Amino acid sequence: AQTVTQSQPEMSVQEAETVTLSCTYDTSESNYYLFWYKQPPSRQMILVIRQEAYKQQNATENRFSVNFQKAAKSFSLKISDSQLGDTAMYFCAFMKPPQEDMRFGAGTRLTVKP
Amino acid sequence: EADIYQTPRYLVIGTGKKITLECSQTMGHDKMYWYQQDPGMELHLIHYSYGVNSTEKGDLSSESTVSRIRTEHFPLTLESARPSHTSQYLCATLNGTYYGYTFGSGTRLTVV
Repeated sequence: AQTVTQSQPEMSVQEAETVTLSCTYDTSESNYYLFWYKQPPSRQMILVIRQEAYKQQNATENRFSVNFQKAAKSFSLKISDSQLGDTAMYFCAFMKPPQEDMRFGAGTRLTVKP
Repeated sequence: EADIYQTPRYLVIGTGKKITLECSQTMGHDKMYWYQQDPGMELHLIHYSYGVNSTEKGDLSSESTVSRIRTEHFPLTLESARPSHTSQYLCATLNGTYYGYTFGSGTRLTVV
């Protein structure tokens, strides 16, 4: 079974600075998808960014980007110009066809300080 | 607007009661999922469905049951609630493999 590990239970960053959240995963598959989800306090879980394993180019969505290292099975999330609204739990997730049930890491609680 | 809805948002209930948590979606997605999440903790898959009349148990042993009679609805039922069921329950649909899940707002259940 695939496992997803987030080794940083909590992190903090000053507003406007950059922070990187770590994620590693374990799989023997070559075709899969990776995701970062954001869960603000008492609010809905939303998708931040996704990456297809067969694409070598790292995904980018505005201030959010990933560093995908397939051989190392690493998928870190970089948040640039951190904003107070980025304060949330961040979950790394793995999914492979055809089952498509998502496996989540334990999450990293990020606090952005003014 | 297409979306996924969970009701109730919060529920406090006594031990031994039967409860049903509702999950509805307007997106026409076939694959739906229930996750259990203790506050601020990881998500555990408890049930999933690949379409009408399809239901499967997930990794986490759960005393709950689900049904999928219509594409739009995927309710979760606890026949006899216990304090150990106190948790947040998240419903999700698969928005295509590439796009991942769309989550509902969750139901925070407290059993006293």
